[in-house]
Amino acid sequence: DARVTQTPRDKVTEMGQEVTMRCQPILGHNTVFWYRQTMMQGLELLAYFRNRAPLDDSGMPKDRFSAEMPDATLATLKIQPSEPRDSAVYFCASGPDSGRTEAFFGQGTRLTVV
Amino acid sequence: AQSVAQPEDQVNVAEGNPLTVKCTYSVSGNPYLFWYVQYPNRGLQFLLKYITGDNLVKGSYGFEAEFNKSQTSFHLKKPSALVSDSALYFCAVREEDTGRRALTFGSGTRLQVQP
Repeated sequence: DARVTQTPRDKVTEMGQEVTMRCQPILGHNTVFWYRQTMMQGLELLAYFRNRAPLDDSGMPKDRFSAEMPDATLATLKIQPSEPRDSAVYFCASGPDSGRTEAFFGQGTRLTVV
Repeated sequence: AQSVAQPEDQVNVAEGNPLTVKCTYSVSGNPYLFWYVQYPNRGLQFLLKYITGDNLVKGSYGFEAEFNKSQTSFHLKKPSALVSDSALYFCAVREEDTGRRALTFGSGTRLQVQP
């Protein structure tokens, strides 16, 4: 059963530390999305890629966040330095390059910055 | 710009009764509309979508949704609610033919089904 895999599932870190979240999209999917979920803001799009190229990262704080796709099987979201306000659940999703197709979500990484 | 509104933070319904979770959208062109469900500590699971054709679409777990272009709505429905339907439901939109693949989500509606 194909699925999007995210690691780690949970991460607790101290303020100022670097955090890296990883995502393995479904094989054959060439669009990858990063979303952040918080109680206050709901689901926010942080970045998305098509064929490994970043198409939109306007939702991402540029000074501390970065997103990359080193290869077709790995997407990373990095926060450096982390702050308590970054505490949230981060979801990766992938899909085929079609507007008519749903995106498939991973289980998320719950980040707590203390 | 595209947007989605889910006017109810929470919907309460008794088991066996019909349920409706409301969603309205705003796009410049034609919409592609989606419903997702999220159970505690889980990712979002796809329920159903409207792309084109019949305004009433059927999805997983007995859910259906009706697309109404004049009211720009896409309400989620189920004829008989189950306690296991209790979860967080998200409506999402993508605009046709823009090339933009990212979905815009509503704020979510928590469905509580009482035994």
